[in-house]
Amino acid sequence: SQQGEEDPQALSIQEGENATMNCSYKTSINNLQWYRQNSGRGLVHLILIRSNEREKHSGRLRVTLDTSKKSSSLLITASRAADTASYFCATDGETSGSRLTFGEGTQLTVNP
Amino acid sequence: ETGVTQTPRHLVMGMTNKKSLKCEQHLGHNAMYWYKQSAKKPLELMFVYSLEERVENNSVPSRFSPECPNSSHLFLHLHTLQPEDSALYLCASSQEVLAGRTGELFFGEGSRLTVL
Repeated sequence: SQQGEEDPQALSIQEGENATMNCSYKTSINNLQWYRQNSGRGLVHLILIRSNEREKHSGRLRVTLDTSKKSSSLLITASRAADTASYFCATDGETSGSRLTFGEGTQLTVNP
Repeated sequence: ETGVTQTPRHLVMGMTNKKSLKCEQHLGHNAMYWYKQSAKKPLELMFVYSLEERVENNSVPSRFSPECPNSSHLFLHLHTLQPEDSALYLCASSQEVLAGRTGELFFGEGSRLTVL
């Protein structure tokens, strides 16, 4: 399975601190995506990084990809209470016809 | 507002009922998806309609039946469900440039299903 696995499962930090979440996967990928989900709501796309990219930024988000280690990290800098949510990585396999598969997510709590 | 609307947001049904979940996307995308989200489990892809081709996960029980009358509408028909089918059902859409290549997914807010 190419399913991503997030680490840690839960993370609790104070406002202003940085939050780092990791994702590992098993097979070669075409791209890797990060999503955010507020409790009881739908998922929202954050960032997509392709297999030939190593790092990508979007506002306070920084994503890295290491295809040799089959891992990715999501860094949220200067966290805010509003960043409290579940964060999921999703992998799009290299094999044609494979579909986006999600990990179990990291629950981030940012305390004011 | 993501451009993907799901109804109803909440549904309670008995095991002998027949109900349907509806999804509509206003983004002009060519692919639509049903995902199941249960507690403590990864999102499970149930069905995909992509470039007018239906792709399904073989592990989905036949009591779930999808219908995609056009590229903007997607239904999930529910019949004789079990309590373990209680979950959040998420609809998503995307624009696929190549068949089988998934870009950014746009999700609806989900339909919370409870089976008694």
